[in-house]
Amino acid sequence: KAGVTQTPRYLIKTRGQQVTLSCSPISGHRSVSWYQQTPGQGLQFLFEYFSETQRNKGNFPGRFSGRQFSNSRSEMNVSTLELGDSALYLCASTWASGGVETQYFGPGTRLLVL
Amino acid sequence: SQKIEQNSEALNIQEGKTATLTCNYTNYSPAYLQWYRQDPGRGPVFLLLIRENEKEKRKERLKVTFDTTLKQSLFHITASQPADSATYLCALDLNQAGTALIFGKGTTLSVSS
Repeated sequence: KAGVTQTPRYLIKTRGQQVTLSCSPISGHRSVSWYQQTPGQGLQFLFEYFSETQRNKGNFPGRFSGRQFSNSRSEMNVSTLELGDSALYLCASTWASGGVETQYFGPGTRLLVL
Repeated sequence: SQKIEQNSEALNIQEGKTATLTCNYTNYSPAYLQWYRQDPGRGPVFLLLIRENEKEKRKERLKVTFDTTLKQSLFHITASQPADSATYLCALDLNQAGTALIFGKGTTLSVSS
């Protein structure tokens, strides 16, 4: 099976712009979670989508939003970009086995805000 | 709020030795704890999961322990190799379903030959 794919891999934006990142989960996986990784804060949970509905949400401002489509592909959007939004954005799809759900991460999208 | 800490930012050991990484958490009683490996420029890769009712879990050269009284997990790599050099992350689930994880900041392990 193909792994989790994320596009684009690299992105440069300027403050005030908005950005949309895309994630295609592993075939058959219905849950997609998004994380932000920075050197200072580490990996932080943004939100999770399951069957096109946001099921869990982390502590990020409303500028961060997402959605999931019927084919389980997901997008996240960041509006009014700030310098501090520069980070590696990772998505993960989830597979349940033995009563536990394990996350499979994509390679990430590295966003640089100038 | 829940907090998870990995005591060492970096750990340097010689090839063949056992690496031991520590993960402590507060304000939470997780059903299970997970360990991931992350190489530079790549997403984390799942390694092991240990449940609250398990004291120890092994997978090849990896061993994880979980002490819910101390609120601590130890991750051991025996007979370490230079290829084991990476950042290791521990994670707790926020929703008891494994789809919303809180991660420690990681310990970067360097194994020298």
